[in-house]
Amino acid sequence: EIVLTQSPGTLSLSPGERATLSCRASQTISSNHLAWFQQNVGHAPRLLIYGASSRATGIPDRFSGSGSGTDFTLTISRLEPEDFALYYCQHYDSSPYTFGQGTKLEIK
Amino acid sequence: QVQLVESGGGVVQPGRSLRLSCAASGFIFTFSNYGMHWVRQAPGKGLEWVAVISYDGVLKYYADSVKGRFTISRDTSKNTLFLQMDSLRVEDTAVYYCARYNGDVPGIDYWGQGTLVTVSS
Repeated sequence: EIVLTQSPGTLSLSPGERATLSCRASQTISSNHLAWFQQNVGHAPRLLIYGASSRATGIPDRFSGSGSGTDFTLTISRLEPEDFALYYCQHYDSSPYTFGQGTKLEIK
Repeated sequence: QVQLVESGGGVVQPGRSLRLSCAASGFIFTFSNYGMHWVRQAPGKGLEWVAVISYDGVLKYYADSVKGRFTISRDTSKNTLFLQMDSLRVEDTAVYYCARYNGDVPGIDYWGQGTLVTVSS
């Protein structure tokens, strides 16, 4: 089983700042089969990034994904008020398709 | 647009069974072209992958935490995904989401809004 570890657990930033979220895998994820999701409290998750670096339909270009192998990053270039939420990474390399424990992005 | 609507949640006693449904609509291609997942989220906790079924219903995989107790299935004539949950435990309490994947690679692209299952005596 691939274990995904996200850091930091909580990130406190101000609107307009840059956010960098990390997702580290316990073993290599092949073909960059890694996704990032955003979730607001009380709502379903939403796909942001797939294939480690491809933005999903309708996702603003301030969101970008990078990385390969075991280390992946989600970057939000300039934070908007609506970006303060929970963020999860998930791999879809092989079953079980585990999620990271999440990073909470909160307003400083 | 893509819609995934879960139903069947509720309060159930430990050891009992419950069947969740997920009605799909708005897909560009027919429901039988897409694989489907179930993902759950316990109150105040993170996301936990539960099960996946391939587009043709042949391949099914489960998380260890539900293997042998939960069964994923689909009815393409009704555009519906199911999760049969038996021998329920208190720790199965969660919002259950269905989610779609497109093609051969099981990356999720759309989610339903979820249905709450509470296991309590």
